[in-house]
Parts: sequence; C-alpha cells; structure tokens
Amino acid sequence: DTGVSQDPRHKITKRGQNVTFRCDPISEHNRLYWYRQTLGQGPEFLTYFQNEAQLEKSRLLSDRFSAERPKGSFSTLEIQRTEQGDSAMYLCASSLGGAPILPTDTQYFGPGTRLTVL
Amino acid sequence: DQQVKQNSPSLSVQEGRISILNCDYTNSMFDYFLWYKKYPAEGPTFLISISSIKDKNEDGRFTVFLNKSAKHLSLHIVPSQPGDSAVYFCAASAGNQFYFGTGTSLTVIP
Repeated sequence: DTGVSQDPRHKITKRGQNVTFRCDPISEHNRLYWYRQTLGQGPEFLTYFQNEAQLEKSRLLSDRFSAERPKGSFSTLEIQRTEQGDSAMYLCASSLGGAPILPTDTQYFGPGTRLTVL
Repeated sequence: DQQVKQNSPSLSVQEGRISILNCDYTNSMFDYFLWYKKYPAEGPTFLISISSIKDKNEDGRFTVFLNKSAKHLSLHIVPSQPGDSAVYFCAASAGNQFYFGTGTSLTVIP
C-alpha cells in the first residue's frame, strides 16, 4: 500500500497529557498537510510543509500545537496539555507540490487519527 | 468565515437516477476546485477536480460543473449506485491552502 498512513488510528488521553501523531506521506510527495475535522464539519487546515520547511500555519494552531517534518519525509503533530476541545479527527494529506501550486496538485488523505480527550 | 458552503447536509436518490451535489464559494480568487468522497472511519478520497479556466470536467459517471459568475460548482453522478453512498466534500484553493465545505451525505437507495 503506497498511500498516506497515519499512526495511531485512535488515541484516548486525559486532559493535560501530551500526545503525538505521525504521518507518512506518499513517497516523492513534497507537500504535507495537517487538518482537523470535528463532527459535522469539513477538514480545517492547520499547517503545511514544503519538504522540511513549515510554510504556513493556521490561526487554529495554538502554541500548544507543534508540527515537524525533520527530513522532509514523515511528519509529527504534537499537542501539549491537551484540552477536551482538542477532541477531533486529525487528518494528514500529501501532494506532489511545487511552487506555485499546480492545477493538478491534488491532496491525498490518510485515514486520520481520532483523538478523544477525557 | 465559511468560504466554501454546502447548504444541503443530506441527499437521498434512487439507484440509477442522477445525484446532484451543490457547492457555493465566496472567494473569487479560488482557482482550483475538488470533490472528495468520504466513507466512515476513512480519510477523504479524491474524486474529481476542475480548474477555473474550465466550466466542465467529466470522469466516467462523475461530472463537475463550474459557474464562476455565480461562484457555484456542482457534482453530477449518473447513474447513481448504492456504493456511492458517502459524505461528499467540495474544496477550493487559491494558492497553498485548501478550504473545505461541511459536506453532503448522499444516500443511494437500491
């Protein structure tokens, strides 16, 4: 399977704990995106990377959130001091990339990590 | 602010008939539009896209129409099949960010 993979698929944690999610994009995809999706909503953009550089961050990404893509391949999203409002599906997507964004630069999504904060 | 809107949360269609899913957007700078399909417990799956220089793109049973003056796009599925039952998201981009609608849940009745 050469699609986008995410780990873990489910995470239950207590309020105040730190959690870290991993995303492995499609190989050779330069861009990697993180989204958050809550019930009844579409995916909301959090941040994206062009190779290892984090180029854009949403205002939704508070200072408790940090994302890295150290070698331009896999990425991690860490949430510190989790709150109940952080409960959501966290989706990762990758695309071939290029600057400016190409008309055919379709994003391919992973299955997501469902976070529940108790 | 919701820049991409899907005003119909759900749609039911008989098998074999046409399904029409609608999407409106507010940002005239959007130049690339996509439809994604999502099954429960899975991530969205790319379905079809259209560039703003076109007004129609067709791929098998799926056709996307873009009306730039009305800032409206639609997805037509014909004929509809039970396996098409899923949540459909439209998305739009202007540069490096994609904005998604809230989704329409399509049920195709056998």
